[in-house]
Amino acid sequence: KNEVEQSPQNLTAQEGEFITINCSYSVGISALHWLQQHPGGGIVSLFMLSSGKKKHGRLIATINIQEKHSSLHITASHPRDSAVYICAVPVNYGGSQGNLIFGKGTKLSVKP
Amino acid sequence: EAGVAQSPRYKIIEKRQSVAFWCNPISGHATLYWYQQILGQGPKLLIQFQNNGVVDDSQLPKDRFSAERLKGVDSTLKIQPAKLEDSAVYLCASSQARGAGTEAFFGQGTRLTVV
Repeated sequence: KNEVEQSPQNLTAQEGEFITINCSYSVGISALHWLQQHPGGGIVSLFMLSSGKKKHGRLIATINIQEKHSSLHITASHPRDSAVYICAVPVNYGGSQGNLIFGKGTKLSVKP
Repeated sequence: EAGVAQSPRYKIIEKRQSVAFWCNPISGHATLYWYQQILGQGPKLLIQFQNNGVVDDSQLPKDRFSAERLKGVDSTLKIQPAKLEDSAVYLCASSQARGAGTEAFFGQGTRLTVV
């Protein structure tokens, strides 16, 4: 069974700071997802990655398959980045099941 | 491209009442998921459909929860009767396929409060 651990659980930053959120998982995976959830509840998919690094605007996601670890970075953080960031991995490695196991999320609050 | 649509956004009911949620996935997406997210936790899969067939409902409390996707497009999730511990956000997601690397798209969720 794959377990997903995220750290930190809560993070408060000042506007402009560089932010890192970490995710570790226990078994092999084919892809890892980073998701953003705003207070209203809706979830937006930020990244899906299986190796290396992806960048989208001020967001950067990296993954180290050998170490079973991924990080989400936010550069020049802004109050509108305040949200819960969730890491998720597939239930079965390479299998036909597409459903995900989610971490508990990291609640980020960026102060102006 | 229109996203995953869910309704209602919010619902408050008394315990032992019944409630239904509706989800319309992105057009052409064969796979549909219902998740339950209790406050402070990550989402938990309740049921996964592939077209109109159930792929995984192992975590669905079948004594009180039911879901259907009769025509392989939109889906309803029902709780009858509701308990206090059912208070949560119910998220619907869809993806083009079942593959483990397939990206899922999420709706805004329905926040249920059972009092």
